[in-house]
Amino acid sequence: ILNVEQSPQSLHVQEGDSTNFTCSFPSSNFYALHWYRWETAKSPEALFVMTLNGDEKKKGRISATLNTKEGYSYLYIKGSQPEDSATYLCATEYGNKLVFGAGTILRVKS
Amino acid sequence: DVKVTQSSRYLVKRTGEKVFLECVQDMDHENMFWYRQDPGLGLRLIYFSYDVKMKEKGDIPEGYSVSREKKERFSLILESASTNQTSMYLCASASSGLGNQPQHFGDGTRLSIL
Repeated sequence: ILNVEQSPQSLHVQEGDSTNFTCSFPSSNFYALHWYRWETAKSPEALFVMTLNGDEKKKGRISATLNTKEGYSYLYIKGSQPEDSATYLCATEYGNKLVFGAGTILRVKS
Repeated sequence: DVKVTQSSRYLVKRTGEKVFLECVQDMDHENMFWYRQDPGLGLRLIYFSYDVKMKEKGDIPEGYSVSREKKERFSLILESASTNQTSMYLCASASSGLGNQPQHFGDGTRLSIL
């Protein structure tokens, strides 16, 4: 079973702070890297799917980068808002399945 | 928008019962998945299906079975529920050719086995 690791496990920031999380995954046989946001009492929502080394994607204040050679991805949130509070999950794709990390819990205080 | 609907948000059952969790998607997706999520662990894949009547074991299939008689519906079955199956269960669907295709999730079923 592939091992996908996320750090930190949890993060508490003030409104307006910028923050970032890390997702580490095996670089061999890489196919795609997914990021999801999971808010309490809602369903996980896809943020990004990235496949190419050096890929950068952006959605509003959230962006992500991908390094497939060294096996990591960063998720950045600029100017965090209370509504950004959620668990952020990354997953690597192999075959037609996803292997998820344990997630990073973000809490943004106003 | 893709809609993935799970039959129950909360469910309480007793040890030894046979439990059915239902999932329906409305986007004609070929692939469907069942996960469980436990504190401190990521989503773990129980079973998935890439076509009607087709199924494959995920990483933790023991104690579970699945059924996919129609393309839109994927059922998870706990043959004889045990307390260690108390968990949050999530269903997801995705179009085929998973590369670049995100999974779409239901709201989850929080299952308690007493």
